[in-house]
Amino acid sequence: DGGITQSPKYLFRKEGQNVTLSCEQNLNHDAMYWYRQDPGQGLRLIYYSQIVNDFQKGDIAEGYSVSREKKESFPLTVTSAQKNPTAFYLCASSLLDRDSPLHFGNGTRLTVT
Amino acid sequence: GQQLNQSPQSMFIQEGEDVSMNCTSSSIFNTWLWYKQDPGEGPVLLIALYKAGELTSNGRLTAQFGITRKDSFLNISASIPSDVGIYFCAGPDNAGNMLTFGGGTRLMVKP
Repeated sequence: DGGITQSPKYLFRKEGQNVTLSCEQNLNHDAMYWYRQDPGQGLRLIYYSQIVNDFQKGDIAEGYSVSREKKESFPLTVTSAQKNPTAFYLCASSLLDRDSPLHFGNGTRLTVT
Repeated sequence: GQQLNQSPQSMFIQEGEDVSMNCTSSSIFNTWLWYKQDPGEGPVLLIALYKAGELTSNGRLTAQFGITRKDSFLNISASIPSDVGIYFCAGPDNAGNMLTFGGGTRLMVKP
């Protein structure tokens, strides 16, 4: 079945460590996205990519980095520079058509202590 | 940037009741999408609306694209406990590159 997979589901890290969240899709979508969701909040865009080897900052990119070496993969690194990294992270993908809806993964809950 | 305002922010209803929530914007949207997020999961697309005035149903869910193109509503009839979750509206930004999301309506259903 086609879909978008995030791993792991739960991730725990010590403050000051970088951590990388995985996102893989086999939907043949060109565009991929990372969102952050805090409790009781909506979705905020961190980074997005519309083509391999290219990506753009979203609304809250500071303290995060991404890469897009393959069409299927869009890993997100939460760096030690991110002041409040504990959150629920959602990856999504879509076709490039402006009306194409996003397909979301099931999220990774990151806890930094 | 464009903003989508959802209301109410949360609802606590009795099983069997009908539910109505809406989404408004100060700018025009050409597409409205409604997503549902179950607790601890990613959002799933419920209904997509592409034409002003369009009324679309998906089971017990009905959504409408407002004629002014600045609003949309989602109705759920005869709610059941599994309707619990957060409902988001979304639409592409002016450039058509990104989806803007509303803040969500959290629905709680009492059996």
